[in-house]
Amino acid sequence: GIQVEQSPPDLILQEGANSTLRCNFSDSVNNLQWFHQNPWGQLINLFYIPSGTKQNGRLSATTVATERYSLLYISSSQTTDSGVYFCAVERRDNYGQNFVFGPGTRLSVLP
Amino acid sequence: EAQVTQNPRYLITVTGKKLTVTCSQNMNHEYMSWYRQDPGLGLRQIYYSMNVEVTDKGDVPEGYKVSRKEKRNFPLILESPSPNQTSLYFCASGRYEQYFGPGTRLTVT
Repeated sequence: GIQVEQSPPDLILQEGANSTLRCNFSDSVNNLQWFHQNPWGQLINLFYIPSGTKQNGRLSATTVATERYSLLYISSSQTTDSGVYFCAVERRDNYGQNFVFGPGTRLSVLP
Repeated sequence: EAQVTQNPRYLITVTGKKLTVTCSQNMNHEYMSWYRQDPGLGLRQIYYSMNVEVTDKGDVPEGYKVSRKEKRNFPLILESPSPNQTSLYFCASGRYEQYFGPGTRLTVT
């Protein structure tokens, strides 16, 4: 089945710094999403981005489908950006057609 | 307001006592799903539903049942819960932009 990897596993930043989170996937997909899980456990959808680039405020994402990776950029980080960032892909293969999440990147933004 | 609700939010139960976790959405989404989140294992999809009366297994369906009799509701049923089903459960709605419920923390003793 499809494998989803994320790097780095942990990231500690000072407030105001920029960061890049990476998601690699082992097979072609037509549905890739990024999520943020805040310290209270709530999961928020950030982007649906199977290809191309999108921006939403200080966050942007790029997916290069042909090379099987996606990047999430966080600029001018704030303490409220802390939490775990997940990418998820919808697979469509002989094993099924369901979502597979990466292990996440835990981000801590220090004041 | 777009919303996914789950009930209960917290549940402690005993092995073998059937339980149902309800999930409801108000966005008219066809696609709904259930996940469990465990330390070290991450988020794993249990079941998903493409539409009413259409459900399919995710990566960890053993020990769970679902039904989709109407578009807005997608309950998760544990017929005979076991301690290894102690977990944090999330319901989600939507396929191309998933909205998650607040989670249900289940403990099976």
